[in-house]
Amino acid sequence: QLQLHESGPGLVKPSETLSLTCNVSGGSISSSRYSWGWIRQPPGKGLEWIGRVSNSGSSNYNPPLTSRVTISVDASKNQFSLRLSSVTAADTAVYYCAGPVSGSGSGSFDYWGQGILVTVSS
Amino acid sequence: DIVMTQTPLSSPVTLGQPASISCRSSQSLVHSNGNTYLSWLQQRPGQPPRLLIYKISNRFSGVPDRFSGSGAGTEFTLKIGRVEAEDVGVYYCMQATQFPYTFGQGTKLEIK
Repeated sequence: QLQLHESGPGLVKPSETLSLTCNVSGGSISSSRYSWGWIRQPPGKGLEWIGRVSNSGSSNYNPPLTSRVTISVDASKNQFSLRLSSVTAADTAVYYCAGPVSGSGSGSFDYWGQGILVTVSS
Repeated sequence: DIVMTQTPLSSPVTLGQPASISCRSSQSLVHSNGNTYLSWLQQRPGQPPRLLIYKISNRFSGVPDRFSGSGAGTEFTLKIGRVEAEDVGVYYCMQATQFPYTFGQGTKLEIK
């Protein structure tokens, strides 16, 4: 079964860029027509979809974040990444990577990483 | 954006008794390809979410058969046949029919 694992700094200063990587093991990130996503959860709150990238490289983002977010895939490393620029305290959350999503499969996030808490603070 | 509304937001249940959670979408979740991408996720305390049900009524691998999903169009339901202690947590419905994907607010299942 696939396993996903997030990595990156747990503390980011305001106005800087948050960068996280999700390593996928137990299968190829390039298999079939898959896409991979990032979801975040502020402390004590619900889930917010950030965006997704297909294994061909096309991406879709949540409109409120579109101007600040980039999600990319690196098939050679079997991983995908999140960059969120100009962060503020409102971006403090547990960030999850999840996938794959396949329209011909479940059409949902089959597997989730454990999550990484990112705190935005000076 | 499609708004997902769950009821109730909190559900105290007696062990061994059934539980039911409703989810309503602000527009039809039927995709142009005929599929309905409505799923249910479970988040146990301190854990990441886990996929339980996909495309309305399909149990994901390893999910006990006491979990079942039903519905169509804009109205969906997750049922737990007999609640066990390990079912405590927050349940979310999610739609992936249209970008941006959206989640319900979450329903907290707790034992009475």
